Amino acid sequence: DAGITQSPRHKVTETGTPVTLRCHQTENHRYMYWYRQDPGHGLRLIHYSYGVKDTDKGEVSDGYSVSRSKTEDFLLTLESATSSQTSVYFCAISESGTSGNLNEQFFGPGTRLTVL
Amino acid sequence: GDSVTQMEGPVTLSEEAFLTINCTYTATGYPSLFWYVQYPGEGLQLLLKATKADDKGSNKGFEATYRKETTSFHLEKGSVQVSDSAVYFCALHNNNDMRFGAGTRLTVKP
Repeated sequence: DAGITQSPRHKVTETGTPVTLRCHQTENHRYMYWYRQDPGHGLRLIHYSYGVKDTDKGEVSDGYSVSRSKTEDFLLTLESATSSQTSVYFCAISESGTSGNLNEQFFGPGTRLTVL
Repeated sequence: GDSVTQMEGPVTLSEEAFLTINCTYTATGYPSLFWYVQYPGEGLQLLLKATKADDKGSNKGFEATYRKETTSFHLEKGSVQVSDSAVYFCALHNNNDMRFGAGTRLTVKP
């Protein structure tokens, strides 16, 4: 299994509070991704990173920010959590972001976030 | 933008039945196509992939063929087992963007 951990695994918070989720990898992969998983929507990309300090927005980036100060860590921050951000969040990594045989993504175990 | 549409579930089959889960896509250029599987309480795992038209991906008895003319990547297995019960996601990767279908829950009964 690819070495990807997420913390925390479960979190309950209140509307308006800041929340930071952490993804840590030991594979030295260049690309890292944050997704949210919601019933009926599959996985939707929030943000991704293609290197240290290099990030870009995904399909559903509003209300989220990310940071990547080291290759191994990719942080997802909800500056002011809302109930619509209740979801399961998955981190993924890949060696390459371009089309081809190296763009397989490996997923972490997920973080279940509940915003009350 | 790019998108993936897969058949809605849930799908319930008896052991040893034939499985088909339909997947079609809309994309510009030449995306790579994937099937991922998610077991309860876990993250997604790559099941199979195809990177160009007419490629066939296969793994653990599952197969899917990249059909550019019909923009499809249907998942098939000739004889399902109880252990195949999971949620299956079709996905495409194109220009640093990954799009997933909504997922199809498969339950296989003994």
